[in-house]
Amino acid sequence: GENVEQHPSTLSVQEGDSAVIKCTYSDSASNYFPWYKQELGKRPQLIIDIRSNVGEKKDQRIAVTLNKTAKHFSLHITETQPEDSAVYFCAASRDSSYKLIFGSGTRLLVRP
Amino acid sequence: DAGITQSPRHKVTETGTPVTLRCHQTENHRYMYWYRQDPGHGLRLIHYSYGVKDTDKGEVSDGYSVSRSKTEDFLLTLESATSSQTSVYFCAIYGYTFGSGTRLTVV
Repeated sequence: GENVEQHPSTLSVQEGDSAVIKCTYSDSASNYFPWYKQELGKRPQLIIDIRSNVGEKKDQRIAVTLNKTAKHFSLHITETQPEDSAVYFCAASRDSSYKLIFGSGTRLLVRP
Repeated sequence: DAGITQSPRHKVTETGTPVTLRCHQTENHRYMYWYRQDPGHGLRLIHYSYGVKDTDKGEVSDGYSVSRSKTEDFLLTLESATSSQTSVYFCAIYGYTFGSGTRLTVV
């Protein structure tokens, strides 16, 4: 079945440094790749997404890259701030029904 | 909030009892989803719906059933709750927006 693997499970960085989270997916028909941020006790919130016809997408300090050949995609956060501390989830979907398969999450801690 | 509400927010129930969780949306979206979230597993899809009376199973559907009699409501039922179903349950619409979640504890 479809599977999404996410690494690392925990990541600790100094404020101002960059953070990179990587995901690989198994279903070559996947064509939509969102990233979610979840703060403690809250709902997951979409922060950025990318579709298979695009290799990279940026939104201020956040960027996502996609390598369809290798079936992996990554989230890059630059100039990290303490408020970036949260759990981040990647996901993948193959069709317009947006049935998402999630990675297991990365707990990011930004140390002041 | 984003036009999607879940009820109840918290529930404690006993093993073997039936439980129904409700998801209500005001966005008129065709697609709705139920996920459960457990430590170390991320979010796993239980069931989803692509229209009134049209539902399908997700990754972890055993022990759960769903119903969608109106566009705005998607119900998740645990026919006979077990301790392994203790979890946080999230409803989502169109894959983008999640509800606030229901924390269910089965004792």
